[in-house]
Amino acid sequence: ETGVTQTPRHLVMGMTNKKSLKCEQHLGHNAMYWYKQSAKKPLELMFVYSLEERVENNSVPSRFSPECPNSSHLFLHLHTLQPEDSALYLCASSQEGNSGEAFFGQGTRLTVV
Amino acid sequence: RKEVEQDPGPFNVPEGATVAFNCTYSNSASQSFFWYRQDCRKEPKLLMSVYSSGNEDGRFTAQLNRASQYISLLIRDSKLSDSATYLCVVNIAGGYNKLIFGAGTRLAVHP
Repeated sequence: ETGVTQTPRHLVMGMTNKKSLKCEQHLGHNAMYWYKQSAKKPLELMFVYSLEERVENNSVPSRFSPECPNSSHLFLHLHTLQPEDSALYLCASSQEGNSGEAFFGQGTRLTVV
Repeated sequence: RKEVEQDPGPFNVPEGATVAFNCTYSNSASQSFFWYRQDCRKEPKLLMSVYSSGNEDGRFTAQLNRASQYISLLIRDSKLSDSATYLCVVNIAGGYNKLIFGAGTRLAVHP
């Protein structure tokens, strides 16, 4: 079993759709992250949850809405996305108080049509 | 200025070669440092942490110079399986972990 699991692995959605990405970590960590990776660009940090509280929102448009119901689960709710939002969305977790290494899920490859 | 800068490459090297990657970071408050590896269409995976005293893991050696805000990764005796993108990562930990990634350096090892 992988430490961080993301579903779905692939998602195609229209600009008027609403969908959610799910992430679950089995590592006992207390911090979770959403990153966006577009082609030929570095990973962009979107949101940080530490101890289930959102501590960082990196100027992400409101059409992306995160939710962290507990320390093991993280969601990214999507609505009225744009084609430029097509990217690989990666979830990660880490343990606060440690040196900070993060463990990633396999990502959701999102295509907005 | 980018927070973490890397030479994008690609580095094309023959098997057995030694290759070095460099990285600079802008935030002097950065507290911990890593190299991650990312294979094509896969998630990044931790390769190794980087310590001020330098550290080695088999064929891989990482160095950190805090004064110069510079990080390096040396790969000796390159293998075909080393072909990947290598990501320099800094943790700007200020109350919580915040990992900032460089754009990555692509390595292609050929027979």
